[in-house]
Amino acid sequence: DSGVTQTPKHLITATGQRVTLRCSPRSGDLSVYWYQQSLDQGLQFLIQYYNGEERAKGNILERFSAQQFPDLHSELNLSSLELGDSALYFCASSPQVSGNTIYFGEGSWLTVV
Amino acid sequence: GNSVTQMEGPVTLSEEAFLTINCTYTATGYPSLFWYVQYPGEGLQLLLKATKADDKGSNKGFEATYRKETTSFHLEKGSVQVSDSAVYFCALSEEYSGGGADGLTFGKGTHLIIQP
Repeated sequence: DSGVTQTPKHLITATGQRVTLRCSPRSGDLSVYWYQQSLDQGLQFLIQYYNGEERAKGNILERFSAQQFPDLHSELNLSSLELGDSALYFCASSPQVSGNTIYFGEGSWLTVV
Repeated sequence: GNSVTQMEGPVTLSEEAFLTINCTYTATGYPSLFWYVQYPGEGLQLLLKATKADDKGSNKGFEATYRKETTSFHLEKGSVQVSDSAVYFCALSEEYSGGGADGLTFGKGTHLIIQP
């Protein structure tokens, strides 16, 4: 158990819909990362937040957004969903903004039908 | 930009065989290097890491040495077990001068299958 908690574990939704994935980082960790894992793209970094502020952006689509709240939990919002958004979405956390080991949650499986 | 290249599988070995999974990287500075493992139906777990040249990371019988001269971080294990069957990801993380980082850059993963 990494200490990173993600909900929901599985989610099935229709094209065009919007979903929110939730992440609670390890106790004391200030950085939260979101990654997408799909068969064709592999593991891709989406976005990083540190202590409530966006710190780095990767291959995140404009239809996707994220935020980190004062209690340090984070949400990834996916809107106007397409079939190709079906993937495993990982949240990860680390103590500081960089230079530390990153610990991953078990992921949220999103299936868009 | 940064990139990680690793051998793609599946790699199929018999139990007690010697394992090597190759990993090479491209980075502009001095990254930290990691191996993560993903067991079926589970998330990513950190297997081992090395933060500077010539460091050796080790865990659960696995080892990898940070080779700056060859920009490599090959994963090795002397005697694999069926329970080692999983997908293994090589990754790097590089700090930027501004104090930020772009998280981890992953290789595409190597599916390892160990047969009894």
